[in-house]
Amino acid sequence: AQSVTQLGSHVSVSEGALVLLRCNYSSSVPPYLFWYVQYPNQGLQLLLKYTSAATLVKGINGFEAEFKKSETSFHLTKPSAHMSDAAEYFCAVSVHSGGYQKVTFGTGTKLQVIP
Amino acid sequence: EAGVTQFPSHSVIEKGQTVTLRCDPISGHDNLYWYRRVMGKEIKFLLHFVKESKQDESGMPNNRFLAERTGGTYSTLKVQPAELEDSGVYFCASSLREGGNIQYFGAGTRLSVL
Repeated sequence: AQSVTQLGSHVSVSEGALVLLRCNYSSSVPPYLFWYVQYPNQGLQLLLKYTSAATLVKGINGFEAEFKKSETSFHLTKPSAHMSDAAEYFCAVSVHSGGYQKVTFGTGTKLQVIP
Repeated sequence: EAGVTQFPSHSVIEKGQTVTLRCDPISGHDNLYWYRRVMGKEIKFLLHFVKESKQDESGMPNNRFLAERTGGTYSTLKVQPAELEDSGVYFCASSLREGGNIQYFGAGTRLSVL
């Protein structure tokens, strides 16, 4: 079975500051890892994914995440926060099970950007 | 290309009533998933269709929930009778059959049971 832990249900950063959202996972088999973002009144949008290729993954809107197997982490970062980054972010792990990918989500982190 | 669409966006019902949620996946996506997020908690898997067949329904809470996908296109999730603890946001997602490791999500239906 797999699981995801997101540290911090709420994170506040100043506009222009570094964004760091933490995610640790547990999986008995090599996982795929994802970050999704949900803007108000919208669906979950894929930010980026790790699927066993490069460990540093670049996504949309300037976000990136690094897969660290030794730390079982997949933290999301962005060098400079914009007001438009305010949203809820979900880390997810996916493993192949019964012929399809079974996705397990973390509890989400709400990012507040302070002007 | 249209994304995953869900209807309604918000539903408010009283305990004991019936509610039906609908999901239209991306055209051509054989895989369709239902998830639920209870307030403040993680998004939890409910079930998975491959075309019209239920592949995995291990996440369905109880027999008050019934999901269907007649014809392998859109899907409905019926809650009958609804209870207070059924309140939450219900997400639908779809993915391609081959290489379907990316699931595309809809905006969700917010269900409030009073």
